Amino acid sequence: KQEVTQIPAALSVPEGENLVLNCSFTDSAIYNLQWFRQDPGKGLTSLLLIQSSQREQTSGRLNASLDKSSGRSTLYIAASQPGDSATYLCAVKAIRDMRFGAGTRLTVKP
Amino acid sequence: ETGVTQSPTHLIKTRGQQVTLRCSSQSGHNTVSWYQQALGQGPQFIFQYYREEENGRGNFPPRFSGLQFPNYSSELNVNALELDDSALYLCASSFKRERGTDTQYFGPGTRLTVL
Repeated sequence: KQEVTQIPAALSVPEGENLVLNCSFTDSAIYNLQWFRQDPGKGLTSLLLIQSSQREQTSGRLNASLDKSSGRSTLYIAASQPGDSATYLCAVKAIRDMRFGAGTRLTVKP
Repeated sequence: ETGVTQSPTHLIKTRGQQVTLRCSSQSGHNTVSWYQQALGQGPQFIFQYYREEENGRGNFPPRFSGLQFPNYSSELNVNALELDDSALYLCASSFKRERGTDTQYFGPGTRLTVL
């Protein structure tokens, strides 16, 4: 059974710092891995999607990497801003469903 | 925005009642998946509908049921509501081919509170 773990559960950083969020999964037989952002009480906003054959994806200040063999992904956020404060979820895609981690709650202090 | 819409936005029910949540898929999509997200947790897969038939189910009891209509919109029905059913319910639509997987696009969710 696929288990997805995100570390740390919560993170607080000053504005301007670069930071890394971690995601690990137990079954490497995945189709893709996706990082989402979720603001309090809101739905999911897709940030980056990495296909199983890819190693990384970049969008603006965000970079996500995928190492399927070790069951790990990282989300790198450069030059963090207070507007980046949210919960970040990673999810791995099987044939039908997506398995999510519990998320990392990020607070960026001005 | 993904083009996936859900209604209602918020809903309050009492224990034992029944509820129906609705999802309108993105144009061209033939598959809809439903997820339950309890407070402080990641979303949990409830079930998926593909071409109007259930195509996979997570660890949820039979009182959670669904429908997918010819226009690929969908309903999630929950009978005999329990307090633990209080959560954000998310639907995700996608285009699924006969073989292979799909990329899911999420709606904004319906917040259900059971008192």
